[in-house]
Amino acid sequence: SYVLTQPPFVSVAPGKTARISCGGNNLGTYSVQWYQQKPGQAPVLVVGDDTNRPSGIPDRFSGSFSGNTATLTINRVEAGDEADYYCQVWVDTSDHPGVFGGGTKLTVL
Amino acid sequence: QVQLVQSGVDMKKPGASVKVSCQASGYTFTDYFLHWVRQAPGQGLEWMGRINPKTGGTRLAQKFQGRLRLTRDMSSATVYMGLSSLKSDDTAVYYCARDFYAAGSNSPWGDWGQGTLVIVSS
Repeated sequence: SYVLTQPPFVSVAPGKTARISCGGNNLGTYSVQWYQQKPGQAPVLVVGDDTNRPSGIPDRFSGSFSGNTATLTINRVEAGDEADYYCQVWVDTSDHPGVFGGGTKLTVL
Repeated sequence: QVQLVQSGVDMKKPGASVKVSCQASGYTFTDYFLHWVRQAPGQGLEWMGRINPKTGGTRLAQKFQGRLRLTRDMSSATVYMGLSSLKSDDTAVYYCARDFYAAGSNSPWGDWGQGTLVIVSS
């Protein structure tokens, strides 16, 4: 099965920039989605198709791609951004096509 | 607006089966695939399978083959996730999630149900 690798923890001070990475073999072959999940809540799509932000998501959230690594960037971090963030891809040829990274806990200091 | 409303908490004994519902509203039910994702306590997200509400066709993660059944009722715009031979490590919150794009593959999941806690315990 395909594997996506995320750092388990990222910490950032309010007002600073947080970057959360997501790595995978030949990741450029796939579209990467990013979800935010706060405690006790369902996940929320914050970036789709590598770089697209759904309506209602602040423009402080952005996605980028370089080589085999996708990055979710959160500018001007706020306390309310503290959450778990998951990257996800669809690997159509796999016997387990829906793949999530292990998740990154973002702590706002 | 799109809404996915799931059934409530369920508690089962090991070896039993569970059926969780997800009722959709606010869009054309047959136009969007629906997925099931679960999350064990303190753990990450795990994709389980998806259903095409138009055809009833499903695609399931191999680890759940033989135990997982996804169905739909077009009259009530509801999809169901049935999981059999339950074990304690099936204890999790189960979510339904809708494709962002109609009739697509490789789509993000833009709308999620509120989640259903299934507890498997003797």
